[in-house]
Amino acid sequence: EVQLVESGGGLVQPGGSLRLSCSASGFTFSSYAMYWVRQAPGKGLEYVSVINKNGSDTFYADSVKGRFHISRDNSKNTLYLQMSSLRAEDTAVYYCVKGIEVPGTTFDYWGQGTLVTVSS
Amino acid sequence: QLVLTQSPSASASLGASVKLTCTLSSGHSSYAIAWHQQQPEKGPRYLLKLNSDGSHTKGDGIPDRFSGSSSGAERYLTISSLQSEDEADYYCQTWDTGMGVFGGGTKLTVL
Repeated sequence: EVQLVESGGGLVQPGGSLRLSCSASGFTFSSYAMYWVRQAPGKGLEYVSVINKNGSDTFYADSVKGRFHISRDNSKNTLYLQMSSLRAEDTAVYYCVKGIEVPGTTFDYWGQGTLVTVSS
Repeated sequence: QLVLTQSPSASASLGASVKLTCTLSSGHSSYAIAWHQQQPEKGPRYLLKLNSDGSHTKGDGIPDRFSGSSSGAERYLTISSLQSEDEADYYCQTWDTGMGVFGGGTKLTVL
């Protein structure tokens, strides 16, 4: 059974930093692209970032470019999102999402999400 | 610019069928999309990937009541024999180089 478990969310002040982690199990982690998708309170879904299966290629939404960094450790089956210079508008539930076999298309499993609140 | 447009809301009666629509922006009518369901207070769940020719691949454990179809720039999700647990937000999603985009979502109410 595929499982994606996010952790690391919490309350942080504007301008602060936070690192999210996603522990993956039930599939060969190193064979799939992985994504971070977020959802602000009461709003829709928004792409944040994607990383290819070996970590050599990454993409970011314009809203987080230069502030967020996605990475992965295939030996630990773990995905990361390092967030810095956080703003109030980054407040959201952050989901870890597994890509399907065809890279750069869609995803087939979502984590339960971790809430990040940026507030003073 | 790649944009997906969804109606904000839809409703249908218990046991009936409903067809949700996702429209691709001009110049993108050949794109495949995916549909995701988000029940209240839960994380999203992948339903199916839908190609421009109407062929689709469903996620693990997705009931036969869920199906997809296509016509031009429009992509549809049909849910038959509606059940109370189908009351949820439904998002379409597509992709381009690297990243992708979500539609604004349709809130489905089961009457």
